[in-house]
Amino acid sequence: LAKTTQPISMDSYEGQEVNITCSHNNIATNDYITWYQQFPSQGPRFIIQGYKTKVTNEVASLFIPADRKSSTLSLPRVSLSDTAVYYCLVGALGAGNMLTFGGGTRLMVKP
Amino acid sequence: DAMVIQNPRYQVTQFGKPVTLSCSQTLNHNVMYWYQQKSSQAPKLLFHYYDKDFNNEADTPDNFQSRRPNTSFCFLDIRSPGLGDAAMYLCATSNDWSNEQFFGPGTRLTVL
Repeated sequence: LAKTTQPISMDSYEGQEVNITCSHNNIATNDYITWYQQFPSQGPRFIIQGYKTKVTNEVASLFIPADRKSSTLSLPRVSLSDTAVYYCLVGALGAGNMLTFGGGTRLMVKP
Repeated sequence: DAMVIQNPRYQVTQFGKPVTLSCSQTLNHNVMYWYQQKSSQAPKLLFHYYDKDFNNEADTPDNFQSRRPNTSFCFLDIRSPGLGDAAMYLCATSNDWSNEQFFGPGTRLTVL
């Protein structure tokens, strides 16, 4: 399983764009990159998934460079309610390929 | 709405007294997972069911067992809870072609 490394914590202010980078140097050819968000006392929630280049949905963008050894989750114009822990996971598609949650990044959005 | 339901949300048990946590899903997903999450730590996978096939993580203690009587339900049995087993237990589901897991709200277990 590819190991991921993320910053332990980040601070931001309301209305700013937040970029959280995840390193995964030994990512395999079949691996996808998936990000989850977790609020206190709740289960993680899927945010976005990608394989290469850029993926965008209604809540976030995911940037993946050509070598795929890192990825950046971009949250546009964060609000206080985006305060949460964000996890980067790497693994092949399919439930038979287990994903391991790394340390996660604790994002604090301030007024 | 389709969802993953965990009962109870809070469970208190005594040291050494067996406890069962339950999970049900209306998503009709074929894969179900159990995670343990301790305070300020990432979720740790205990085991998962791929349809009826049980898959145990190598470092999951024997004290933890699971049952999946049908597609919709999955149970986590802790045979002799210790103080170190106090944690949030998360159930999740997915389809076998996806890495998108749907998590329940969790059951917070307290061991006295």
